[in-house]
Amino acid sequence: QKEVEQNSGPLSVPEGAIASLNCTYSDRGSQSFFWYRQYSGKSPELIMFIYSNGDKEDGRFTAQLNKASQYVSLLIRDSQPSDSATYLCAVNVNGNQFYFGTGTSLTVIP
Amino acid sequence: DVKVTQSSRYLVKRTGEKVFLECVQDMDHENMFWYRQDPGLGLRLIYFSYDVKMKEKGDIPEGYSVSREKKERFSLILESASTNQTSMYLCASRGQGLPTQYFGPGTRLLVL
Repeated sequence: QKEVEQNSGPLSVPEGAIASLNCTYSDRGSQSFFWYRQYSGKSPELIMFIYSNGDKEDGRFTAQLNKASQYVSLLIRDSQPSDSATYLCAVNVNGNQFYFGTGTSLTVIP
Repeated sequence: DVKVTQSSRYLVKRTGEKVFLECVQDMDHENMFWYRQDPGLGLRLIYFSYDVKMKEKGDIPEGYSVSREKKERFSLILESASTNQTSMYLCASRGQGLPTQYFGPGTRLLVL
């Protein structure tokens, strides 16, 4: 079983809609959770992170954690074509041990 | 803003060559990482370093070595490049006690 699993997609949403991305993680001791955006050919760019104690909203982005079910979600409101990218979920178990999912490809259709 | 730079964006090498990939960060971060990213496999940790001259193996260290002689610089070495090391190589850094890693622009390595 992989430490972090994501549906590879592609996920397509119309412009202005809400995009919902999810990932599941296996280690119940995971302490912090990250969402990165990666454009084709570029490196991952941090969008936001949350600790195990709560959700976070930042502009159009909301990260939510469901500890009981061990999944993390990222909601993108008012999706824009510029949001089209691959979204990577990552978890930090302890110290320098990070695990990454393989990413979900999102396409926002104008 | 954190800045992580990598010495090359693209590299083409021949099988058996020794390859050096360099990474420099300007935020005085203690921790630095080397990952490779392959389609369908995601990011996999090769090595990380938590201090000068200190290193720890990640999940896929075979065929690689690292060097950290100065705090701001972390080098990845492919002693004898092979075709299965063709990949995107990503360097990252993280401050001690801080939650997030920041990535450099990546080096796309092709081994022929």
